[in-house]
Amino acid sequence: GAVVSQHPSRVICKSGTSVKIECRSLDFQATTMFWYRQFPKQSLMLMATSNEGSKATYEQGVEKDKFLINHASLTLSTLTVTSAHPEDSSFYICSASSVTGELFFGEGSRLTVL
Amino acid sequence: DAKTTQPPSMDCAEGRAANLPCNHSTISGNEYVYWYRQIHSQGPQYIIHGLKNNETNEMASLIITEDRKSSTLILPHATLRDTAVYYCIVRVGGGNQGGKLIFGQGTELSVKP
Repeated sequence: GAVVSQHPSRVICKSGTSVKIECRSLDFQATTMFWYRQFPKQSLMLMATSNEGSKATYEQGVEKDKFLINHASLTLSTLTVTSAHPEDSSFYICSASSVTGELFFGEGSRLTVL
Repeated sequence: DAKTTQPPSMDCAEGRAANLPCNHSTISGNEYVYWYRQIHSQGPQYIIHGLKNNETNEMASLIITEDRKSSTLILPHATLRDTAVYYCIVRVGGGNQGGKLIFGQGTELSVKP
């Protein structure tokens, strides 16, 4: 089956630094990618939708200057958490949609901000 | 907001069928119902999806009521490895080729020996 890879799977950073998380579709072209965050014992919350070559669409309440999303190619989207603070510590998950509409999820990236 | 409501938790005996209900009374005509599950600290795993007909694959069966306001996911012979949080999701804004998945709270299924 199709594979979506996230990197890094775990990252620890100091408060005030920026962290980039990559999401790659390994064997298909992803016309659309989605970014979610998940706090412990909670459900996934959709942050934004990105289409290749265009600006991301952010869900209400998500700061676009805080969470920068780039979808530069049909196989790669990146999420950058800028000036990270401890409250940004979370599990970040991407999903990728193929041209036929199938949706595949990555394994997630756990961010810890000290 | 999520268009689905599910019971927060369920138990099932190993080897028995697990029937997970989901209500989606505000579903629109071209919106699909998807089921995913998530095992702790992993990404969600696709199970099955459907529009109005019942569907079956190697993992599960999906029964959708005629009025499409509710559905049931059936795991025919639950094993301990099926213990997970199961999410019923209505894909909004684009049918089956576009659209996004808005997750609700899911059902935490515990399969017991």
